[in-house]
Amino acid sequence: KQEVTQIPAALSVPEGENLVLNCSFTDSAIYNLQWFRQDPGKGLTSLLLIQSSQREQTSGRLNASLDKSSGRSTLYIAASQPGDSATYLCAPISNFGNEKLTFGTGTRLTIIP
Amino acid sequence: KAGVTQTPRYLIKTRGQQVTLSCSPISGHRSVSWYQQTPGQGLQFLFEYFSETQRNKGNFPGRFSGRQFSNSRSEMNVSTLELGDSALYLCASSLNGQASYNEQFFGPGTRLTVL
Repeated sequence: KQEVTQIPAALSVPEGENLVLNCSFTDSAIYNLQWFRQDPGKGLTSLLLIQSSQREQTSGRLNASLDKSSGRSTLYIAASQPGDSATYLCAPISNFGNEKLTFGTGTRLTIIP
Repeated sequence: KAGVTQTPRYLIKTRGQQVTLSCSPISGHRSVSWYQQTPGQGLQFLFEYFSETQRNKGNFPGRFSGRQFSNSRSEMNVSTLELGDSALYLCASSLNGQASYNEQFFGPGTRLTVL
């Protein structure tokens, strides 16, 4: 059974700083891993999808890396902005041919203006 | 291109009632998954439908059921509502059911409150 852990659970940083969010998972046999953000009371917004054959994926100020062998992924946010304040969730898709995402509990990020 | 839509956005029901939630996937997407989000349990997978067939099911009681129509729209039903069913219900759609490369897109959710 896949288990996902995200550390830290909450993080507050001043605007403009670079930061890293961590995700670890127990079953390394994954197809891909997706990072999402969720604003309070809202749905999930897809940020990045990393295939198992990739090591990293970039979109604007976001960079996600994946190390399957160690069961880890990181999300790097450069030059943080107040609009980045949200809960960030990682979710691997396990390697048995279905669409089930297993979510961690997320990291609640607050950017201080 | 329109995103995933869910209706209604908010619902208030009383214990013992039943409820039906609707999800319209992104045009062309054939897979629809449903998730329950609560403060205590986080995001939990309910079930996934592809081409009108349930392909995978999470660990929820039989009171939770779903279906998918030929146009890929999906509904989930919860019968005999309990207080613990209060949650944000999210649906996600993806293109072709191939888990090897398949970004999933979520709707805004339906907030269900059971009194």
